Parts: sequence; C-alpha cells; structure tokens
Amino acid sequence: SQTIHQWPATLVQPVGSPLSLECTVEGTSNPNLYWYRQAAGRGLQLLFYSIGIDQISSEVPQNLSASRPQDRQFILSSKKLLLSDSGFYLCAWSGRGASVKAFFGQGTRLTVV
Amino acid sequence: SQQGEEDPQALSIQEGENATMNCSYKTSINNLQWYRQNSGRGLVHLILIRSNEREKHSGRLRVTLDTSKKSSSLLITASRAADTASYFCATSKGGGSEKLVFGKGTKLTVNP
Repeated sequence: SQTIHQWPATLVQPVGSPLSLECTVEGTSNPNLYWYRQAAGRGLQLLFYSIGIDQISSEVPQNLSASRPQDRQFILSSKKLLLSDSGFYLCAWSGRGASVKAFFGQGTRLTVV
Repeated sequence: SQQGEEDPQALSIQEGENATMNCSYKTSINNLQWYRQNSGRGLVHLILIRSNEREKHSGRLRVTLDTSKKSSSLLITASRAADTASYFCATSKGGGSEKLVFGKGTKLTVNP
C-alpha cells in the first residue's frame, strides 16, 4: 500500500535561517507531488506542483523553492526564512489520470521567530 | 488563486442534525472532490464527483454538483460529534492539468 511521510512534525526556526522540509512517498511510482501551505484557520494555498523529476511548477511568487531529486522525494526549501513563512505545510501525492484523489502527509507546523 | 469557495465558513449543529456545506468555483472542471481535515492534521479524501455526474452518495455523505451554477454541496446526514472537522472542496481542471486547487473550507462543529 502507498504511504506518505513528511517530517518534521513541528519546527521553530529563527528569521533568516534556512529551511528544508522533506516528503517521501512509498508504494507508488511517478506520482504527482504537491506542497501546500495553510495559514491558521484558512484554506490550502498551492505552493508547488510536480509531475516528474525536476519538473516543478511554482504557483505563487514567494521566498520558497522546491526540488524533486528523486521520483518519490519532494523537498521544500528556503535560504532565508521570513516571519510570514510561518504556517502549516502539507505535502501530498496523487496518481495519474483525470479523476484521482490526493493523499496527504501529516503536515509540518513551522513557526518562524 | 483560490478556485473553490466554501460557505458557510463555520457551522455549528447538534448531534443528529444534518449539515450542509456549499462550494462554488470559477472555471470549468474535470471533477470536484471533498476532503476532511481534523485539527492540525493532514487532509483525508471523502468523495469525488465527476463533471458529468449530478449526485453521489457514500454512507452518510451526499454530494451534488451543478456545473451550470459552478457549485457543489456536501450533505452529512445524522451528524455525530466525530464529524467535527474542517471540510474542503477541491477542483481539478483536467485537460492535462491534474493539480488540485482547494477552497478555504467550512469548519463544522457537531455538539453532543
């Protein structure tokens, strides 16, 4: 069966420090991969979307970047965190095809101080 | 930009009552999905309805889709305290784009 791992669960980082959040998927190949951010009490904002290795679409201009060095690995990074980067980050994967559902990781609560 | 917009933003009901949440979207879609999120957790898929379907059922869930009005509704019947969560709709535009865009969600509280 397929599983998705996202870590860490919580993270407190100072302003100006770098960031690296990792997400890996098991039990499937060639998934679509997503990074979402959710502000407190708000909806999900799509940050990055990837259909394959090194094929990443950035949905909003921001201080973050994403990379997909392997088929089932998706990394969210920042060189210098801002206070506004605080939030709940969710990684997700979906299969291929017109009617597929997404499977989410448990999320990372990032607080920039 | 947000594709789906749910309303109401928050809904509080008593156990046993039905809960109805609505979602509106802006562009043509291939399908519409509903997800549930418990506080501080990841989202869990509930149900998917394709653009050529009008209604779908799954247990106590009933989803309708009106593509002419670009809207969908999620009905939870005979609600339970365990249904307390946030509910989101998500749309996929199709046409080669499979990315999912989510709305802002409805926070449902079911009081025992």
